[in-house]
This record gives sequence, structure tokens and C-alpha cells, in this order.
Amino acid sequence: SQKIEQNSEALNIQEGKTATLTCNYTNYSPAYLQWYRQDPGRGPVFLLLIRENEKEKRKERLKVTFDTTLKQSLFHITASQPADSATYLCALRNYGQNFVFGPGTRLSVLP
Amino acid sequence: DSGVTQTPKHLITATGQRVTLRCSPRSGDLSVYWYQQSLDQGLQFLIQYYNGEERAKGNILERFSAQQFPDLHSELNLSSLELGDSALYFCASSAQENTEAFFGQGTRLTVV
Repeated sequence: SQKIEQNSEALNIQEGKTATLTCNYTNYSPAYLQWYRQDPGRGPVFLLLIRENEKEKRKERLKVTFDTTLKQSLFHITASQPADSATYLCALRNYGQNFVFGPGTRLSVLP
Repeated sequence: DSGVTQTPKHLITATGQRVTLRCSPRSGDLSVYWYQQSLDQGLQFLIQYYNGEERAKGNILERFSAQQFPDLHSELNLSSLELGDSALYFCASSAQENTEAFFGQGTRLTVV
């Protein structure tokens, strides 16, 4: 069956460190993968999109990698700040199919 | 502000009732998606429309239905409501199917 997993339900890190979140998928062949941020009670906000033929994408302190062989994406936040505390969701779509989200990782950046 | 508008923001209704949630996508976006998020649960994909046509369906209950109108706004109809239908319902839109989605602020439905 198709499955999207994110490494841990919650991740605590110290301010200034790099947070690394993992998204693994099974039985998907995604055309692209996206990362979103969701704050409690709010709608998800788009952060980055990476296509199947791209290895890495960067935006300011954010970096995402995509390994279609390992069926895995890594999402990094460098120089993390307490304001980065939120739930981070990966999302993907097979060609012509549903746009589905992983369960999310709740990141807490401690001052 | 994502540009996606959902109304109402909050809705309280009784079991067995029917409600309609409304979504106005960002100007020019052709795709509309509906998701359900229960307390401490992930986003569950319900249904997608593209330019008025149903494009993909997730685990949407038969009691639920949706449509996208010629002006591209969409409505999600929930009928014979049960306590378990209490959740946040999000609408999202995207310009094309392979671009990022922009989410509304959601409608919080409480069934009592």
C-alpha cells in the first residue's frame, strides 16, 4: 500500500543548530515533492518544491534534498530560531493522482 | 494572506444536519483541493477539482460531496453529520496541478 512517513512525530533542537526532518515514501513515484509549514489552527504554508530530476533546492535558511532511489526527502533548517517552531509536512503526488500529505513532524526550537 | 478564502470560519451544528462549506480560490487558480484535519491528525485528502471537473478523489465519505462552479469557487457539502465529522476542513488552490498549493484558513466544524 502507499505510505508517507516522517521521521518522528516531534523533534526538539537548540536554537542555532540545524534541524533535519525526513520524509520517506512507499509505492509512490512522485513527479515532485513539497514541504509545508503548519502552525496550530492555521492552514499549511508552502515552503519549497523539488522535482524528481532535481537533487537539491535552497531558499534562504531552508534546504531540501530528494533521492528517488532511497525514496526519501530531507528538509534542513539551518541556524534555527524559536520562530521556526511549527509542524512541517511533506506532500507528494504521483502523476495524475491525489496530492497527499505526510503526518508531519512537530519541531520545537528551544532558546 | 494566501488569497484563498473559506467561509464560514466556524460552524456548530447538530448530528444529522447538513452543511455547506465554501471556498474561493486565488485569482486565476484552476485547481481546488479539499482536506479534512481532525484533532491531532494529519491532513486527509478528500477531493480535487480542476477547472470544474473532478480530478481526483480520496477517502471521501458518500455523505460528502463537492463541486466547482464556472467562476471556480467550490463548495463542500456534508450531510447526515456525525460527531466524528468534527474537524478543520481546508481548501487549497493551485495554478496548475504541478505547482504549489495555497491553503485557506479553514472552516472549523463542530458537530454536537
